[in-house]
Amino acid sequence: ETGVTQTPRHLVMGMTNKKSLKCEQHLGHNAMYWYKQSAKKPLELMFVYSLEERVENNSVPSRFSPECPNSSHLFLHLHTLQPEDSALYLCASSQYRELNYGYTFGSGTRLTVV
Amino acid sequence: GNSVTQMEGPVTLSEEAFLTINCTYTATGYPSLFWYVQYPGEGLQLLLKATKADDKGSNKGFEATYRKETTSFHLEKGSVQVSDSAVYFCALSRANNNDMRFGAGTRLTVKP
Repeated sequence: ETGVTQTPRHLVMGMTNKKSLKCEQHLGHNAMYWYKQSAKKPLELMFVYSLEERVENNSVPSRFSPECPNSSHLFLHLHTLQPEDSALYLCASSQYRELNYGYTFGSGTRLTVV
Repeated sequence: GNSVTQMEGPVTLSEEAFLTINCTYTATGYPSLFWYVQYPGEGLQLLLKATKADDKGSNKGFEATYRKETTSFHLEKGSVQVSDSAVYFCALSRANNNDMRFGAGTRLTVKP
């Protein structure tokens, strides 16, 4: 399998639940990203990992917890979310600091918090 | 700081019409410029790119030329199809910097 794969594609969770989003890339990239895409808002960069170390955290609430166990996998652990956290969560990968090639995005996880 | 500004949508066109979506940028140094497309229910896909002034990126009938003198990277297509209906994002990155900046996106709807 090639490209960036995100699972699940859709997720409905209650505010007291704990769930995780998964992202996997088979492109040999060494940087991975989580973005949040809400209706009528610009893309929001949440986290950046390079070589499995977090290099950026854009003031994201602690109810979102990222994990990058290796350069091919990225997780976003979710707990006690709020309805306003409902959005499309996009994972992307690239070569760190070689952005002439752009990012490769996954298809996203559509999250609904009820 | 680095940023891109693209025309607000939505844009609605009839099939075979000419498309222009404007994008201008602010950046230090010499950024690379990109257009991404997002089809309904999908993530963003790289549509085309240009890495230096006067370069023209092209793909699937879409074109954009890197204009340093006007700091612009407008997206054009001569004859749009219904299947081009999507949201289009302009973006920039600076060489040796892990900082990709996206515009707000422009929704295009093409009617038969």
